[in-house]
Amino acid sequence: DAGVTQSPTHLIKTRGQQVTLRCSPKSGHDTVSWYQQALGQGPQFIFQYYEEEERQRGNFPDRFSGHQFPNYSSELNVNALLLGDSALYLCASSLGGGRQFFGPGTRLTVL
Amino acid sequence: EDQVTQSPEALRLQEGESSSLNCSYTVSGLRGLFWYRQDPGKGPEFLFTLYSAGEEKEKERLKATLTKKESFLHITAPKPEDSATYLCAVQASGRGSTLGRLYFGRGTQLTVWP
Repeated sequence: DAGVTQSPTHLIKTRGQQVTLRCSPKSGHDTVSWYQQALGQGPQFIFQYYEEEERQRGNFPDRFSGHQFPNYSSELNVNALLLGDSALYLCASSLGGGRQFFGPGTRLTVL
Repeated sequence: EDQVTQSPEALRLQEGESSSLNCSYTVSGLRGLFWYRQDPGKGPEFLFTLYSAGEEKEKERLKATLTKKESFLHITAPKPEDSATYLCAVQASGRGSTLGRLYFGRGTQLTVWP
């Protein structure tokens, strides 16, 4: 049984560019949450998707957007990248609001 | 506002030297408190969930406990392979709080040397 998978593993972008990160949830899970983890910090909640809709959102600007597909996989899009967007982006899946299982993360570096 | 504070920020132990990590929280109704282990550059790995004051969970050298305002992660006779960052997170259930999201602390970076 595959756990949560994320792609790509690493990504380097320049300021102003746009990026798309992808997540496949653990088998049987229907809810995907995205977190941003800056170096030396705990993960910060970006948003959560359930039934292909954004169910709740953290304190992040509209440059951060997402999508959930019918197979429950999800994408995180970030537009107009800033240096401060450099972080480890984590995807977590769950069955509804239950225990969240995390993927390995995507390391985004903005130059 | 829901908040989680972990202490200490960093802890260095000699192999076999037991200690405890602290997680204090302020939440409008606790739905669950979670402990995760995170190795450098990797995603958090689930350890425990605690739901009510007085509850305890154990796994190998780790034991997690919960009171109404804080949780402790006790590490008994640690080994070098226990070196990692330990994250505490809460899930709120009170009115005005959003369900499902986790509020994380900044973590305790544990180093166990031989």
